[in-house]
Amino acid sequence: GAVVSQHPSRVICKSGTSVKIECRSLDFQATTMFWYRQFPKKSLMLMATSNEGSKATYEQGVEKDKFLINHASLTLSTLTVTSAHPEDSSFYICSARPPRGGFSYGYTFGSGTRLTVV
Amino acid sequence: GQQLNQSPQSMFIQEGEDVSMNCTSSSIFNTWLWYKQEPGEGPVLLIALYKAGELTSNGRLTAQFGITRKDSFLNISASIPSDVGIYFCAGQLSGTASKLTFGTGTRLQVTL
Repeated sequence: GAVVSQHPSRVICKSGTSVKIECRSLDFQATTMFWYRQFPKKSLMLMATSNEGSKATYEQGVEKDKFLINHASLTLSTLTVTSAHPEDSSFYICSARPPRGGFSYGYTFGSGTRLTVV
Repeated sequence: GQQLNQSPQSMFIQEGEDVSMNCTSSSIFNTWLWYKQEPGEGPVLLIALYKAGELTSNGRLTAQFGITRKDSFLNISASIPSDVGIYFCAGQLSGTASKLTFGTGTRLQVTL
């Protein structure tokens, strides 16, 4: 149990276009999901906290108009990279926390999305 | 944002050897988590620690929640080739859905 699915796994887009990444909790409901960005050989940096039914909370330095987050249901959060530029190329990972109890008390992560902007 | 300091940064060991890595913070955490990440994948939870001094095992892995609540340790015994990957610690402040702070990572390579 406690599976988080992320889609797409890889995407290549042209500069100036927008890309949407989906994060779904498959077997549990998640009122809160998290979006991370990871550069090669670096750690995960939290971008924003996605809250179901309300606005996302962005970390300092993350442009909210650039990285639009929507959490319209208890099992789906989306991250849209708007007007993408090559410097937005990165590995984006989402996570969600299953309900209390069991081994998976810690956050479960999606398999990530490799975004390349050309 | 804040990151936790992990050491060593990388390790090259032979199959069968034991591995130790640690994670330190300037501030306390209520929960410590250890994850493993393989190339092109998201992190996978290995062990979760919930109180100071706690020692928890998961197969060949053993992790401890430091008594000061500012550090944690992960040991891998009798390493095997599939242990290769990047190991991240993560700290969390409270029991609710609060965010995780990740460590800088330890890259493990296992040679035959």
